Amino acid sequence: KNEVEQSPQNLTAQEGEFITINCSYSVGISALHWLQQHPGGGIVSLFMLSSGKKKHGRLIATINIQEKHSSLHITASHPRDSAVYICAVYVVGAQKLVFGQGTRLTINP
Amino acid sequence: KAGVTQTPRYLIKTRGQQVTLSCSPISGHRSVSWYQQTPGQGLQFLFEYFSETQRNKGNFPGRFSGRQFSNSRSEMNVSTLELGDSALYLCASSGTGTANTGELFFGEGSRLTVL
Repeated sequence: KNEVEQSPQNLTAQEGEFITINCSYSVGISALHWLQQHPGGGIVSLFMLSSGKKKHGRLIATINIQEKHSSLHITASHPRDSAVYICAVYVVGAQKLVFGQGTRLTINP
Repeated sequence: KAGVTQTPRYLIKTRGQQVTLSCSPISGHRSVSWYQQTPGQGLQFLFEYFSETQRNKGNFPGRFSGRQFSNSRSEMNVSTLELGDSALYLCASSGTGTANTGELFFGEGSRLTVL
């Protein structure tokens, strides 16, 4: 079993829909990152969380340390949100990032 | 402020050769980390450098090595290339020390193809 699991693996939605991507992990962490990767490879950091909730524009990220779970929400989704979203956790002790397998999001106009 | 710069962007090598990839972090950032991305394994941590010292290394064979210079630029080297080394190699810099404490800024990656 992977240390970081994301769901769903693929998600297709219509423009304007509310999107939720989930990340569960099984190890002790000190931080969790949400990353966005567009075709071509470049990765952009969206959020770094160690507790609670963060909001940036239409994106909201939450983390529940006790339940070892994080969610990324996109409100009023737009075709430009189409990308792969990756959850990564900084593992206590190992001092390294461990990545989920990614969620491929497609927003249709 | 210039972003993280990786060179070369694309390269093709043959089995048995070696390759060196370069990463220039954002000015002022002293932490550089390297990652390998393949369709089968996804993103995997290679190593992290801070102020010229390797802080940690991922589960990769000794053929994978790296270093960081006094100006924080980093290089990674892969010797005796194998077909399975074909991947996108990404580096990231952080202004706060590690991915534990700060946002990561990624380069566009170096796409290596081994024939």
